[in-house]
Amino acid sequence: NAGVTQTPKFQVLKTGQSMTLQCAQDMNHEYMSWYRQDPGMGLRLIHYSVGAGITDQGEVPNGYNVSRSTTEDFPLRLLSAAPSQTSVYFCASSWATGIQETQYFGPGTRLLVL
Amino acid sequence: AQKVTQAQTEISVVEKEDVTLDCVYETRDTTYYLFWYKQPPSGELVFLIRRNSFDEQNEISGRYSWNFQKSTSSFNFTITASQVVDSAVYFCALRNGGGGADGLTFGKGTHLIIQP
Repeated sequence: NAGVTQTPKFQVLKTGQSMTLQCAQDMNHEYMSWYRQDPGMGLRLIHYSVGAGITDQGEVPNGYNVSRSTTEDFPLRLLSAAPSQTSVYFCASSWATGIQETQYFGPGTRLLVL
Repeated sequence: AQKVTQAQTEISVVEKEDVTLDCVYETRDTTYYLFWYKQPPSGELVFLIRRNSFDEQNEISGRYSWNFQKSTSSFNFTITASQVVDSAVYFCALRNGGGGADGLTFGKGTHLIIQP
């Protein structure tokens, strides 16, 4: 049981390049989400998904696309990277009822856009 | 709109002191969930606790305790007899009702420094 995995761990891009941040979980969680963490800003929600085939926007979705073709995978795509997208990106998956919750974060991807 | 405020940007205490991290939240929902996470220098996010809006009982887990007060919209976190290993950034977060469907709103975090 690997939990939530993210690849790559670190990436350098040039402005205008595109790339996909990978996120996978092996816990059969329905809910997955992407956050970005910037200094002094906490974590902000980019996109989330409540199950395969269903995604929705969070607080800061501009410049990012997501898809959820399987329960396990939730990739985040940067269409045309900008320096403002330099950040640490965290993927999370969760399972919840009204009483209990289990939530896991991946180790993060550090992205630098030049 | 929902909001989480952690007014303490940084706290520094000497080991073995007790320390309280403040969290104030805003939401219009009657059903919501509050969380605390720890982010040590290594960078990963560690889930500490989840509390739903219907349960105002305080909770204690070892040296950690949480005080949830709906009357003041606060969910404060206390570490008793702090240790150097407690040094980290701590985040308070809020999610409105609906299970785990939507994401979390995080505060900006409190950087806790425990000096030996």
